[in-house]
Amino acid sequence: GQQVMQIPQYQHVQEGEDFTTYCNSSTTLSNIQWYKQRPGGHPVFLIQLVKSGEVKKQKRLTFQFGEAKKNSSLHITATQTTDVGTYFCAGPRGSNYQLIWGAGTKLIIKP
Amino acid sequence: GAGVSQSPSNKVTEKGKDVELRCDPISGHTALYWYRQRLGQGLEFLIYFQGNSAPDKSGLPSDRFSAERTGESVSTLTIQRTQQEDSAVYLCASSSPGTGNEKLFFGSGTQLSVL
Repeated sequence: GQQVMQIPQYQHVQEGEDFTTYCNSSTTLSNIQWYKQRPGGHPVFLIQLVKSGEVKKQKRLTFQFGEAKKNSSLHITATQTTDVGTYFCAGPRGSNYQLIWGAGTKLIIKP
Repeated sequence: GAGVSQSPSNKVTEKGKDVELRCDPISGHTALYWYRQRLGQGLEFLIYFQGNSAPDKSGLPSDRFSAERTGESVSTLTIQRTQQEDSAVYLCASSSPGTGNEKLFFGSGTQLSVL
């Protein structure tokens, strides 16, 4: 069945370093969504990408959707402590729009 | 309401007891999901309701788990004869798919502890 793979599982960075997480789908996606879950919180929607090759920016966050609409990435420039959390990607499957989730990438800031 | 509401926020129960968790989605949202999240883990899909379609129950881990939804409103997740391995946060989310705005809104979850 359709799968969404996300890597890496964890990333440890020094504050100020960059962070990237990658998402790959086994099938073409009509759109891809990104969510952030802070420790102890619930996932919160960040962005939805729809177009092939789309790039969107939110301050220090840059989101890309691949040309083939099968992969996506989230890049954070100059990480801050407020960026700590787990970042998930998700894409719809089938005609009933059910979302399939990546396993998440946990961003950890080294003390 | 303004967001997805889940109750209770915390539930402590004894092994073998039944529990019922409730989710009030955002008004007008046709899609509703239940997820389980163990500590430090990802989202484990349980069940998906979308409009009048038959629910996708493929994620329910055993026949002790069941869920219902009344129309496009409240949903309840029932766990019978709870086991310690059922301890987790149970998250509900709703959305309005097919409208061009597919994003999910999550509730704050129910923390279930089985002693």
